[in-house]
Amino acid sequence: QSALTQPPSASGSPGQSVTISCTGTSSDVGGYNYVSWYQQHPGKAPKLMIYEVNKRPSGVPDRFSGSKSGNTASLTVSGLQAEDDADYYCSSNAGNDNWVFGGGTKLTVL
Amino acid sequence: QVQLVQSGAEVKEPGASVKVSCQASGYTFTSYAIHWVRQAPGQRLEWMGWINAGSGNTKYSQKFQGRVTFTRDKSASTAYMELTSLTSEDTAVYFCARKEPGSKSPFDSWGQGPLVTVSS
Repeated sequence: QSALTQPPSASGSPGQSVTISCTGTSSDVGGYNYVSWYQQHPGKAPKLMIYEVNKRPSGVPDRFSGSKSGNTASLTVSGLQAEDDADYYCSSNAGNDNWVFGGGTKLTVL
Repeated sequence: QVQLVQSGAEVKEPGASVKVSCQASGYTFTSYAIHWVRQAPGQRLEWMGWINAGSGNTKYSQKFQGRVTFTRDKSASTAYMELTSLTSEDTAVYFCARKEPGSKSPFDSWGQGPLVTVSS
């Protein structure tokens, strides 16, 4: 299956909000409410930030939120902080116990 | 707390095989699946497949079918990923990640991911 489509980069100043999109097809993002988002700092393992489109694991700040419309999911980071500077990847179930990741978005906090 | 501790970095020649381990602790190993995800330098995350640590059932991404094998040792709470016929394009960090079996759950805990370098 093909990778989900994310913008290569996004940026915002501290305190601002930024939204990252993740576009798939009706066979993955559009077909299931099982989109999750991961944050990855350089040289580190990914960290779960959002699951099932809009749920936050314990310990993830409520500045992070998720949504979905049709074949496109979105991650919004509000009140940007310096530590939010990282790569973000979306992931979706792709049917038949297959999973797919997005191409990743580098978020820069200016 | 949940921990996935992986084996160390490896350097392999083209054509060789590599076996990466992933030792779990802090939870019931057999109640979850272990997924394998790789990341080439500067590139995106790429899903490789999974093994159900309880049943031993496996699922491989079509891209790696026939070249990768997942196994597990329940007594050691350890999962393994073996990749054969290595080429330079297999140079990547190989992560293991925990996931509840089924469609809904996400990858909620990750190993540190050793770098596998394929070079002559």
